[in-house]
Amino acid sequence: GAVVSQHPSRVICKSGTSVKIECRSLDFQATTMFWYRQFPKKSLMLMATSNEGSKATYEQGVEKDKFLINHASLTLSTLTVTSAHPEDSSFYICGGRGHTGELFFGEGSRLTVL
Amino acid sequence: QQQVKQSPQSLIVQKGGISIINCAYENTAFDYFPWYQQFPGKGPALLIAIRPDVSEKKEGRFTISFNKSAKQFSLHIMDSQPGDSATYFCAARSDPTSGTYKYIFGTGTRLKVLA
Repeated sequence: GAVVSQHPSRVICKSGTSVKIECRSLDFQATTMFWYRQFPKKSLMLMATSNEGSKATYEQGVEKDKFLINHASLTLSTLTVTSAHPEDSSFYICGGRGHTGELFFGEGSRLTVL
Repeated sequence: QQQVKQSPQSLIVQKGGISIINCAYENTAFDYFPWYQQFPGKGPALLIAIRPDVSEKKEGRFTISFNKSAKQFSLHIMDSQPGDSATYFCAARSDPTSGTYKYIFGTGTRLKVLA
């Protein structure tokens, strides 16, 4: 399968700071990037969908001003958690969809906000 | 209508046995049904996928059975091994011609294969 690299894998930050998570498709062009959030022992919750060069489409209940998503190129998308608070602590996973239609995920980023 | 219902929530199988996980959906606009395997602390990995015009797909020990009329699909893991112990998610993708392009995930099944 195709490879999606997500960085950092773990990040700890203080409350009130911003954190950026990068998602790169290494061997394919991701026309669409998806960002998911996963709570312990739970399923993947879609946060937003972004197409290259367009504004992200956020799911209902997801604060677009808190979770800034940028999809500047066909191989890179970023998620910035702004003014993070402890309740934002979670496992964030990006997924890239290429022209074949298959969705490939990154390794995930565990965010801990102190 | 956008839900994908997955069962069982957890499953324990003896080594060498068959693991079966079931999913059901309601939205007929779904056009692609992948299964993902996730180990703790890792992102989900695409395991196998099927389109609704096919009733069965097999890749190694993994088989998807698809029943379009019943709106159900299942994952069968033959000769289950301890290394298969993971959480499995079924998913359904909405038809892009419907205007949205989303992957909806089931609630997950935690599989444990006993040695």
